[in-house]
Amino acid sequence: DQQVKQNSPSLSVQEGRISILNCDYTNSMFDYFLWYKKYPAEGPTFLISISSIKDKNEDGRFTVFLNKSAKHLSLHIVPSQPGDSAVYFCAASGGTDKLIFGTGTRLQVFP
Amino acid sequence: KAGVTQTPRYLIKTRGQQVTLSCSPISGHRSVSWYQQTPGQGLQFLFEYFSETQRNKGNFPGRFSGRQFSNSRSEMNVSTLELGDSALYLCASSLWRSTDTQYFGPGTRLTVL
Repeated sequence: DQQVKQNSPSLSVQEGRISILNCDYTNSMFDYFLWYKKYPAEGPTFLISISSIKDKNEDGRFTVFLNKSAKHLSLHIVPSQPGDSAVYFCAASGGTDKLIFGTGTRLQVFP
Repeated sequence: KAGVTQTPRYLIKTRGQQVTLSCSPISGHRSVSWYQQTPGQGLQFLFEYFSETQRNKGNFPGRFSGRQFSNSRSEMNVSTLELGDSALYLCASSLWRSTDTQYFGPGTRLTVL
């Protein structure tokens, strides 16, 4: 039972354009959401988070949007850079003390 | 501050063997979580340790076990290895809870032949 879903396994975006990564969840108890970025041969690194009391959180080029009614969140990267090429995982928590991760989306930013 | 370290980085075992992986958290971090990453499955939660006690457990068989020492270092053990156990095993540390911001190690790549 995949409670956190990233339905796009990969995404290709031109440098300078916007990258939009999507994540859906099924558990209405989730109240905290995070995005992690993973380069090959490295562990995931924390990128940005959002609490369910907010619908938007920004950090530089990265913005996360939360739509609670649709149980959907998205990560926007503007402008995209080649160094953003990585696998992005969304994660959620709430109700239990576990962090539930999605399956990841591989972003490729090309020149 | 040193990051999370995991040893070994790569491991090749055969079916039926057992394996022990080690994780040293960031100094001061008390919570250590373990995850299994396989293609198409994302990061699957194995278990979390805090103050030498298993605080949470994922949906993995009993062949997967772990422990935490008084210095917060943690080990996980997989007995009677199966081909399907081939994966990247990631350790993450956080200050108090696994739902706090986690800091991941580089992982141990386990291949079961």
